[in-house]
Amino acid sequence: GAVVSQHPSRVICKSGTSVKIECRSLDFQATTMFWYRQFPKKSLMLMATSNEGSKATYEQGVEKDKFLINHASLTLSTLTVTSAHPEDSSFYICSARGVDQPQHFGDGTRLSIL
Amino acid sequence: AQSVAQPEDQVNVAEGNPLTVKCTYSVSGNPYLFWYVQYPNRGLQFLLKYITGDNLVKGSYGFEAEFNKSQTSFHLKKPSALVSDSALYFCAVRDGYNQGGKLIFGQGTELSVKP
Repeated sequence: GAVVSQHPSRVICKSGTSVKIECRSLDFQATTMFWYRQFPKKSLMLMATSNEGSKATYEQGVEKDKFLINHASLTLSTLTVTSAHPEDSSFYICSARGVDQPQHFGDGTRLSIL
Repeated sequence: AQSVAQPEDQVNVAEGNPLTVKCTYSVSGNPYLFWYVQYPNRGLQFLLKYITGDNLVKGSYGFEAEFNKSQTSFHLKKPSALVSDSALYFCAVRDGYNQGGKLIFGQGTELSVKP
């Protein structure tokens, strides 16, 4: 079946650094990719939607200069958390959808900012 | 506007008993409905979907869901629960007429299956 690979699975870094998370669709072309943030035992909060070759569409309240999204190819999207602070600590999940496909999700990245 | 409601934060079931996780939805167009399961510190795994056709949809791990248009519901069911089914379950809906539309998630239901 379709697989989405997300890397890294866990990141611990100092406040002020930037962190890049990669999301790859392994066996299908992802025309659309989504980035979510999830707080403990809560539902997923959609941060942004990106279509290959286009600028990402951010949800209300999400800072686009803080969370940089690049969707350069049909199999790769990246989320960069710039100048990360402790309040950015969270579980980030990417998702990919191709033509006539349900959305498939990566395994998430646990980001901890010290 | 689209919305999904999962009225139960938690469902407790004894192993071997049938389980139901409830979901109701609201969408202006044609509903595309999905169930996902999340294990601790993992992403979401796709269980099943309803797009069109038979109202009873069968999915992974013995789960099934019934689409009920009149009640706008899409409850997840399994005839005999396993301890390993304990996880967080999300119902989601997308407007089928909008191919670029977003998936809207319910708040999640934590399923606990006790031996």
